[in-house]
Amino acid sequence: LAKTTQPISMDSYEGQEVNITCSHNNIATNDYITWYQQFPSQGPRFIIQGYKTKVTNEVASLFIPADRKSSTLSLPRVSLSDTAVYYCLVVPNTGGFKTIFGAGTRLFVKA
Amino acid sequence: GAGVSQSPSNKVTEKGKDVELRCDPISGHTALYWYRQSLGQGLEFLIYFQGNSAPDKSGLPSDRFSAERTGGSVSTLTIQRTQQEDSAVYLCASTTPGEEQFFGPGTRLTVL
Repeated sequence: LAKTTQPISMDSYEGQEVNITCSHNNIATNDYITWYQQFPSQGPRFIIQGYKTKVTNEVASLFIPADRKSSTLSLPRVSLSDTAVYYCLVVPNTGGFKTIFGAGTRLFVKA
Repeated sequence: GAGVSQSPSNKVTEKGKDVELRCDPISGHTALYWYRQSLGQGLEFLIYFQGNSAPDKSGLPSDRFSAERTGGSVSTLTIQRTQQEDSAVYLCASTTPGEEQFFGPGTRLTVL
């Protein structure tokens, strides 16, 4: 399993764009990059997944450079409700493996 | 539709007692995970079930921990002779391989 490294915490203000970068130097060819969000007292929930280049959905964008050794989760115009822990995972596309969530990045959005 | 459910939502027990935590996955999901999350920490993988394959138990912290999944559906995590360091939130997730994991609300275990 590829190990991921991401900042422990980040602060932002409402309305700003937040970019959280994750390093995964040992990513394998068949691995996907997946991000989850966890609010206090809840289980994590899936945000976005990508393999290369850029993926965008209604919640976030995911930027993956050509070498795939890192990825950046971009949250546009954050609000107070985006305060949460964000986890970056590297997961084989076939599934069937244990997943390592790590400590995640604690994002605190201030008014 | 129904999501992943876990019971009980909270469990307070005395040191040395055994506890059983239950997870009901989403119908049709063949894979099921158990995680542990201590206060302010990330998720710690415990065990993974996939269909009829032997479970991946590599995350279980000691032989006091065990889990089973009956009929490919409901799973029970059992902790024997609980210790104070077992206090945490225990999360269950189910999925179809290659897809996202869907998490339950967790069971908060407190060992006095």
